[in-house]
Amino acid sequence: AQSVTQPDIHITVSEGASLELRCNYSYGATPYLFWYVQSPGQGLQLLLKYFSGDTLVQGIKGFEAEFKRSQSSFNLRKPSVHWSDAAEYFCAVGAGLRSNFGNEKLTFGTGTRLTIIP
Amino acid sequence: GAGVSQTPSNKVTEKGKYVELRCDPISGHTALYWYRQSLGQGPEFLIYFQGTGAADDSGLPNDRFFAVRPEGSVSTLKIQRTERGDSAVYLCATSPGGRSSGRSEQFFGPGTRLTVL
Repeated sequence: AQSVTQPDIHITVSEGASLELRCNYSYGATPYLFWYVQSPGQGLQLLLKYFSGDTLVQGIKGFEAEFKRSQSSFNLRKPSVHWSDAAEYFCAVGAGLRSNFGNEKLTFGTGTRLTIIP
Repeated sequence: GAGVSQTPSNKVTEKGKYVELRCDPISGHTALYWYRQSLGQGPEFLIYFQGTGAADDSGLPNDRFFAVRPEGSVSTLKIQRTERGDSAVYLCATSPGGRSSGRSEQFFGPGTRLTVL
């Protein structure tokens, strides 16, 4: 069974500082990896995804993530955070379903809450 | 609408009651997922529909939980004899689906917050 570990429950960074959120996964095949962001009272919004190809993926809002198979990691980065980036961030891995239609249930980590200080 | 919608946004019920939670998918999306997010946790998969049929219901915690999608569009998650432990945010997500669409992201609704007293 697949699993996702986000070791940092809560991270605080200063506005303008760089950010890295850690994500480690466990999956028996090539993973499909996602980062979602959830703001209070809002639904989950996809930041970026990795299906195949280039291991450095660019997302929205200036975020990027790098897939490292050897480390089973998919860490999220941003060079300079903005106060509006304060939210909960979830890493997720996609797993194939029995029907194999190419759609996959997601297994999420427990999330990392990001606080931005002025 | 443009996105996935869920109703109600909040539902408060008493232990032992029956509740229904509704999900309206993005038009044309054939794949629909239900997840449950407990406080301080990430979403957990409950059930997946491809069209009208439940292709994977392995995440449903017990037989008090049931979901339908009779016309391949709107889905309803039904919980019988609710318990306090069922309190959570129930999220619906949809994607284009189908063999020809390949890998695609899931679009999430805002969720229904269920509180069982």
